[in-house]
Amino acid sequence: DIQMTQSPSSLSASVGDRVSITCRASQSINIYLNWYQQKPGKAPNLLIYVASILQSGVPSRFSGSGSGTDFTLTISSVQPEDFGTYYCQASYSSPFTFGQGTNLEIK
Amino acid sequence: QVQLQQWGAGLLKPSETLSLTCAIYGGSFSNYYWSFIRQPPGKGLQWIGEVIHSGSTNYNPSLKSRLSISVDTSKNQFSLKLTSVTAADTAVYYCARGRNSADRRFDFWGQGTLVTVSS
Repeated sequence: DIQMTQSPSSLSASVGDRVSITCRASQSINIYLNWYQQKPGKAPNLLIYVASILQSGVPSRFSGSGSGTDFTLTISSVQPEDFGTYYCQASYSSPFTFGQGTNLEIK
Repeated sequence: QVQLQQWGAGLLKPSETLSLTCAIYGGSFSNYYWSFIRQPPGKGLQWIGEVIHSGSTNYNPSLKSRLSISVDTSKNQFSLKLTSVTAADTAVYYCARGRNSADRRFDFWGQGTLVTVSS
């Protein structure tokens, strides 16, 4: 199975900050990497797919980059509603594995 | 708008069988992969397995020996059965739609069902 490792595990940011979350795959997954946001008590919500394509309805302050084994999710200007846990997911071959999550707290 | 609605027993004893069903409303049942994904309390996400409208399945090897996912196309529903549950199977279980492409992204999710295994 492909292992996905996210960093940091948690971070705290102020409104307007630029934040980045990284995800590393244990082997190359080309561009087959998706990002999700999950709020407490809710199902995850797809933000970005195939590394850099913004899902419909997702604000443009979210962006993704990377290929191979190293990927980044960036929020250009954090907003109060961006709190929650962010997960990456390898999506090319099963079993489809997720990173352990990054908890974003708004100061 | 696509909606996934799921239901099933929330409290089980060790060795019992976990059963969940997910119904799809407002969208096509064909041309997608239908998955179950679980999340133990306070932990991350684990993909369990998937089924397509033909009934063909694909399971996580870590659960394959205890797992069965089936489909009822007449009702636009798919179901999960996990046998011989233990406390380690305690989790919120989600159903989700996977896109039929080289990239398996999950773009619509059910509301989640908390399943607790306790004697």
